[in-house]
Parts: sequence; C-alpha cells; structure tokens
Amino acid sequence: EDKVVQSPLSLVVHEGDTVTLNCSYEVTNFRSLLWYKQEKKAPTFLFMLTSSGIEKKSGRLSSILDKKELFSILNITATQTGDSAIYLCSARQLTFGSGTQLTVLP
Amino acid sequence: DTEVTQTPKHLVMGMTNKKSLKCEQHMGHRAMYWYKQKAKKPPELMFVYSYEKLSINESVPSRFSPECPNSSLLNLHLHALQPEDSALYLCASSPEAGGTNEQFFGPGTRLTVL
Repeated sequence: EDKVVQSPLSLVVHEGDTVTLNCSYEVTNFRSLLWYKQEKKAPTFLFMLTSSGIEKKSGRLSSILDKKELFSILNITATQTGDSAIYLCSARQLTFGSGTQLTVLP
Repeated sequence: DTEVTQTPKHLVMGMTNKKSLKCEQHMGHRAMYWYKQKAKKPPELMFVYSYEKLSINESVPSRFSPECPNSSLLNLHLHALQPEDSALYLCASSPEAGGTNEQFFGPGTRLTVL
C-alpha cells in the first residue's frame, strides 16, 4: 500500500524565520511528488518534482527531491503571516500525506 | 481559463435524496479526479478519469456514482448517503493522468448529509 508521511505535523514560527517541511514516501511505480498549500479552501499547487537533486524555486519557496532516500523537503525562507496554511505533499496525485500545519506569528 | 469550477458550493441532503455534484474545466485537461476531504484530514482519492474513461476507483461505495459526459465535465451522483459521508468534495484536473503533471483543484462542494 502506498504511504506518504509528513513531518512535523504542526509548526509555529515567527515572521522572518526559515522553515523546512519534510515528506517521505513509499509508493509503487513512483513518478512524481507534488506539494500543495491549503488555506481555508481547496489545495493550490506549488511544485511537482520528478528528478532527484533538481531544486524547484518560486519566490521564497523551494523544494527538492531525493529518490534514493525517498523524501522531499519544502523550504520557506523569510516566512510571512500569509504563509500560514496546511502544506500537503502527494505521490502521483493519488496518495496524500497528513499535512503540516504551519502557523507564522507576527 | 485556468480554473476548475464546482457546483453547488454547499449542499444539504437527506439520506433518501438523490443529488449530483458538478465539476467543469476548460483547460483541455484529459484527467479529472474526485477527492473526499474530512475536517483536518488530507484529501482522499475517490475516482480518476482519464480520457473520459474511469481509470481508478478507490473502492468507493456504490452510493457514489461518477460520470464523465465529456472531456470538460465530471459529475458525482449521490444516492442514499450516510451522515458520515458529510465532507468537502474536491474535483481536480491535470493535463494527463499518471502523476507527471501539475494539478488544479476546484473550490469544492461542502456536503452535509442529515
């Protein structure tokens, strides 16, 4: 059975801090790992990773995949209160991790 | 047009009712998905359609019946639901199935079963 595990489950930081969110996976027929941000409504797509070692960046967010160790990290630098959300990762859009609840305090 | 739309936004139904959820996208995507999300839980995959054919059914009870009338539309027909089926139902689409593309979610339908 496919499994995606995220850590930590929740994280509270102050504005300006840098955070690292973790996602490990065990899936058959792996093709991609995806990161999403979910505020009050539906998840919004952040990154899709298919190759090891290639960092994807979007502003203050970046992510990288390690296919040998079967994990990915999502980094957010200089956090802002607007980054407060649940961050989800999924394997192949089929299996989601439980999410990391990030709270950024002013 | 880069959005997935869902109707209705909210639905309250009794256990004997029949209702349908609708999802639409005009991005030319050939894969469409239904997920169920309970409070404080991640989305759970229900169905995947690829090129208008059902490709994945995650052992969903038959009281949920998906339908893909064409490449832009996805329906979820509901009949004889239980209170535990109350949840946010999310539709999503991606250019292709197989997990190698970005994925766009609709805003969801908040379903309450009385």
